[in-house]
Amino acid sequence: KNEVEQSPQNLTAQEGEFITINCSYSVGISALHWLQQHPGGGIVSLFMLSSGKKKHGRLIATINIQEKHSSLHITASHPRDSAVYICAAHFGNEKLTFGTGTRLTIIP
Amino acid sequence: DGGITQSPKYLFRKEGQNVTLSCEQNLNHDAMYWYRQDPGQGLRLIYYSQIVNDFQKGDIAEGYSVSREKKESFPLTVTSAQKNPTAFYLCASTRQAPPNQPQHFGDGTRLSIL
Repeated sequence: KNEVEQSPQNLTAQEGEFITINCSYSVGISALHWLQQHPGGGIVSLFMLSSGKKKHGRLIATINIQEKHSSLHITASHPRDSAVYICAAHFGNEKLTFGTGTRLTIIP
Repeated sequence: DGGITQSPKYLFRKEGQNVTLSCEQNLNHDAMYWYRQDPGQGLRLIYYSQIVNDFQKGDIAEGYSVSREKKESFPLTVTSAQKNPTAFYLCASTRQAPPNQPQHFGDGTRLSIL
């Protein structure tokens, strides 16, 4: 069964802290996505990756194919980073399977 | 700016009533998707369409219907057969090729039962 699991479910941190959100998946994938859902509900695609590492501003996404694991890191976190972060995977040519999300709250 | 527009933002349904959620995109994307989001669960696929005048059921299609008469539009009807329609509904679109492209999402419609 194709499954995507995220941890932690909820994460609260002080402004400036380094944040790590984890995503594990059950079998081999063709691509993995990290998404950000704002408090109003809209979703933005942050990264799509199938190997290695990608960086955009203070956000870094990594994936380890052998360990079936991906991480999303946020450096120098800021209150505006507060959102739900969702991991989603393409298993082969099938449609996206989504994790349940990690709710991140950054306290000033 | 190109994007996906969902309307309305909030919608209320009386029992026995059908309601239609609108989704329009000006990204020239071929594929469009409807997802349902419930608290504590990942997004679940209701229907998707890869080309005009064609669509396929997703994982939870029962009680829903769609049409794809134009490339830009993919409306979702929540019928009275859907017994638990209260949820957040998200529309998305993507290019077909190359495969596994990032999906662009709308801002969602929150549906509640009166």
